[in-house]
Amino acid sequence: SQKIEQNSEALNIQEGKTATLTCNYTNYSPAYLQWYRQDPGRGPVFLLLIRENEKEKRKERLKVTFDTTLKQSLFHITASQPADSATYLCALPPGYSSASKIIFGSGTRLSIRP
Amino acid sequence: SQTIHQWPATLVQPVGSPLSLECTVEGTSNPNLYWYRQAAGRGLQLLFYSVGIGQISSEVPQNLSASRPQDRQFILSSKKLLLSDSGFYLCAWSGHRKRGDNEQFFGPGTRLTVL
Repeated sequence: SQKIEQNSEALNIQEGKTATLTCNYTNYSPAYLQWYRQDPGRGPVFLLLIRENEKEKRKERLKVTFDTTLKQSLFHITASQPADSATYLCALPPGYSSASKIIFGSGTRLSIRP
Repeated sequence: SQTIHQWPATLVQPVGSPLSLECTVEGTSNPNLYWYRQAAGRGLQLLFYSVGIGQISSEVPQNLSASRPQDRQFILSSKKLLLSDSGFYLCAWSGHRKRGDNEQFFGPGTRLTVL
């Protein structure tokens, strides 16, 4: 069956360190993968998209990698800050490039301690 | 710019009562529209999505239904709520890029408690 697994439900990191979150998938062959941030009581907010032909994507302190052989995406936050504390969700299309929907992982709750 | 509205923000309903949640989008036309539910501490479960007026795809068989009476209006309904319907309901929209890699934009959500 198809699965999206995000490492550990919760991750605690010291401020200033790099946080690395993992998204693994099985029985999918996505053309792209997305990452979202969700704060408590709010809807998710889109952060980054990476396509299958892109190894790495950066946006300010964020970096995403996509390894279609390992079926894995890594999400890095460098120089982490307490304001980065949130739940981070990966999402990908159920088919190769579904134009209509994406499936979300269950998320990793990241806490950055001062 | 685009805006997505959901109401109400919170709702407490007795078991067996009907439900109607509304979502509207401004600033875009012919969006894809989505309803998700998120149980406490859990991930997002896609309930329904729509690629156009009157076109609804259901992802989970249950006592909920969705309708899209206008281009930018999406309604989630139930005739009789169950305890298990409690959760955080989120509406989202996306565009129609040819590559299909459209990011989704979420509304503020409705917190539903069924007692």
